[in-house]
Amino acid sequence: AQSVTQLDSQVPVFEEAPVELRCNYSSSVSVYLFWYVQYPNQGLQLLLKYLSGSTLVKGINGFEAEFNKSQTSFHLRKPSVHISDTAEYFCAVSVGSNYKLTFGKGTLLTVNP
Amino acid sequence: NAGVMQNPRHLVRRRGQEARLRCSPMKGHSHVYWYRQLPEEGLKFMVYLQKENIIDESGMPKERFSAEFPKEGPSILRIQQVVRGDSAAYFCASSQTALHYNEQFFGPGTRLTVL
Repeated sequence: AQSVTQLDSQVPVFEEAPVELRCNYSSSVSVYLFWYVQYPNQGLQLLLKYLSGSTLVKGINGFEAEFNKSQTSFHLRKPSVHISDTAEYFCAVSVGSNYKLTFGKGTLLTVNP
Repeated sequence: NAGVMQNPRHLVRRRGQEARLRCSPMKGHSHVYWYRQLPEEGLKFMVYLQKENIIDESGMPKERFSAEFPKEGPSILRIQQVVRGDSAAYFCASSQTALHYNEQFFGPGTRLTVL
């Protein structure tokens, strides 16, 4: 069975600093990878996804992620964060053509002025 | 175009009562998924439904929990005889198809508190 590990439960950064949120997965078969963002008291919104092709994926709000098969990682990055990026970020994986998403525990990104 | 709607947003029940959570998928979506988020945990898949059919309920507890998605009306997640351990956020998602590359759109969730 697949699993997702988000190594940092909380990441505090200052505004305009770069940020990287880490995500590792385990699966013995092909995977599809997703990053979702959850603002307070809201549902999850898809930031970006990797299905195939280029390993560098660009998403909304200036975020990007790189799929690294050898390291089984899919880290999320942003070169310069804003206060409005403060939210919880979830990495998720689906296996094969399966619709089921397996989520990590989430990383709370707090951007301070 | 309204997104996925869930109600109520917050629900408080005493142990032993029933909880009914409703989900209206996005317009044009016929696939609905329910996920549960326990405190400090990621979301966990519970059940996948299409209109009038349960396709996959492998993530749903065998007792006290049931789900339906009738021909007309919202999808309902029903929890009978709630216990404190049922306290969680319950999220509904919908998609156009069940293919892996089809985005699942999530609702705002229902936060259930069992006293």
